[in-house]
Amino acid sequence: DTEVTQTPKHLVMGMTNKKSLKCEQHMGHRAMYWYKQKAKKPPELMFVYSYEKLSINESVPSRFSPECPNSSLLNLHLHALQPEDSALYLCASSRQGVSYEQYFGPGTRLTVT
Amino acid sequence: KQEVTQIPAALSVPEGENLVLNCSFTDSAIYNLQWFRQDPGKGLTSLLLIQSSQREQTSGRLNASLDKSSGRSTLYIAASQPGDSATYLCAVRPNGYSTLTFGKGTMLLVSP
Repeated sequence: DTEVTQTPKHLVMGMTNKKSLKCEQHMGHRAMYWYKQKAKKPPELMFVYSYEKLSINESVPSRFSPECPNSSLLNLHLHALQPEDSALYLCASSRQGVSYEQYFGPGTRLTVT
Repeated sequence: KQEVTQIPAALSVPEGENLVLNCSFTDSAIYNLQWFRQDPGKGLTSLLLIQSSQREQTSGRLNASLDKSSGRSTLYIAASQPGDSATYLCAVRPNGYSTLTFGKGTMLLVSP
């Protein structure tokens, strides 16, 4: 099984809402990633978790709050977002180590109104 | 800072043609290079991963080559089909890092 799942597929939220994106994998991967992708642009790395600990935060605003409750799950908590945060949010996972292939989920399409 | 460039930005070909997508990177100190496919509004599908010690990888009609010293990779697609229409992204993994640096992609359209 090489599948990464993400829920929800689509999310519309107001600027005062609090919502969460969820990502799950059962490949035994110990590295998990959040990316943000705007239309016609490549993915931009947001966060990296390694063995359930945050190892990289690419200077992401605090209105995005990641959480890794266990080795299979990765959440992204959203609060007080801006319309410019509307994008496709992608989750990925890989085996721990620099040489391993990343597997991506289908993404959550987020629209902030 | 590593920069990844993909040429062309867009490509339109008739079905059955063989084609080559190009990827170049500025810093040759990479662990590996990964080619992805992305359909509109969807996630990324990994196509091929080439380690820095390898020269090429093949999967079905796809062949990816890597010339690390010159900072180049190519993705060759044989006998293209309309189902190959998608954006193809190249990404490199710098030495010592688990993160990827992406190119902007090549948007491919294969017409019947």
